Amino acid sequence: DVKVTQSSRYLVKRTGEKVFLECVQDMDHENMFWYRQDPGLGLRLIYFSYDVKMKEKGDIPEGYSVSREKKERFSLILESASTNQTSMYLCASSLPSGRGLMIEQYFGPGTRLTVT
Amino acid sequence: GQNIDQPTEMTATEGAIVQINCTYQTSGFNGLFWYQQHAGEAPTFLSYNVLDGLEEKGRFSSFLSRSKGYSYLLLKELQMKDSASYLCAVRDMRYSNYQLIWGAGTKLIIKP
Repeated sequence: DVKVTQSSRYLVKRTGEKVFLECVQDMDHENMFWYRQDPGLGLRLIYFSYDVKMKEKGDIPEGYSVSREKKERFSLILESASTNQTSMYLCASSLPSGRGLMIEQYFGPGTRLTVT
Repeated sequence: GQNIDQPTEMTATEGAIVQINCTYQTSGFNGLFWYQQHAGEAPTFLSYNVLDGLEEKGRFSSFLSRSKGYSYLLLKELQMKDSASYLCAVRDMRYSNYQLIWGAGTKLIIKP
């Protein structure tokens, strides 16, 4: 079974703090993703990575950065946390996808971050 | 741009059948996924459609019509454990072959 783990289930930080969210997958997947999930908005892609040291911006990268130094680990960094970054953060991984191939994403349990 | 619409919430009775619809607008369609997400948990994969027609998997079926930009998830013999949110996601090749565009999800409430 694919396992995606995230470093914390719940996190409370203060405005202006630097926040690190860690994600680890054990299935040797090339692709890894960071989403945030807010009520009524669905999953929104922050960043994704298709290989070690490679990253691409998603739909809402502002205020975030990422790091992928090892294949199994993908970190999300909030350089200076703000209250509008209070959200559920979900990490996912998948094999590389090609045209017409069904490649599902496997999700971690999520980190509920509250910024006060 | 892209747009995916699903009903916000639906209610159904244990043992019944429910159909959750998803409509999308994209010019780079390359597959549609349905995921289930229980409250406070990670989304888990349910089904995938890339060609028109019905895909059946036990009590769950998913249908796709590419010409209409329409899909539905059909849940039969509903059980209380089916109470969850159901997320529709589309792969859009205009962005990359990795990205999925997600609907806001449909919260399904099952009543005894």
